[in-house]
Amino acid sequence: LAKTTQPISMDSYEGQEVNITCSHNNIATNDYITWYQQFPSQGPRFIIQGYKTKVTNEVASLFIPADRKSSTLSLPRVSLSDTAVYYCLVGQNYGGATNKLIFGTGTLLAVQP
Amino acid sequence: ETGVTQTPRHLVMGMTNKKSLKCEQHLGHNAMYWYKQSAKKPLELMFVYNFKEQTENNSVPSRFSPECPNSSHLFLHLHTLQPEDSALYLCASSARSGLNGYTFGSGTRLTVV
Repeated sequence: LAKTTQPISMDSYEGQEVNITCSHNNIATNDYITWYQQFPSQGPRFIIQGYKTKVTNEVASLFIPADRKSSTLSLPRVSLSDTAVYYCLVGQNYGGATNKLIFGTGTLLAVQP
Repeated sequence: ETGVTQTPRHLVMGMTNKKSLKCEQHLGHNAMYWYKQSAKKPLELMFVYNFKEQTENNSVPSRFSPECPNSSHLFLHLHTLQPEDSALYLCASSARSGLNGYTFGSGTRLTVV
């Protein structure tokens, strides 16, 4: 399973764009890249998933370079409620195969007023 | 609600008690998972079930016994736990296709006294 490396913490202010980068040098051909958000005492919440290039949804954008050895989660105009831990994961997720996502320590994003 | 429901939300049990955690999803997912999250630690994968069959046991002590009677329900039976087993226990489910990642429940906060 590909290991991921991301900053332990980041600080930002309301209204700013936040970019969190994750390294996954050993990503396999079949691996997706998925980002989750977790608030204290709650389960992680799926944010976005991608395989290559750029993916955008109503919450965030995910940028993946051609070599797929890293990815960047971009949160536009953050608010105080975006203060949370953000996890980057890579792995297969096919039912019937060995599908498991291994969580790292994540990045604690603290948004200040 | 995320679509994955966990009960109870909070549980306090003695070391000699037997209790069960319940997880239910009606998202049409075929894979279900148990994770453990101790204070200030990453989520730890415990068990993986695909189509009701256990496909992963991440070296979990036998005092934790999972049960998956069908693709919509997952249980975690607990007996003779230790205080260090106190943690947030999270259930998740996913689709076979791998799209949209995992959906987590809100968790059961377990305290062993």
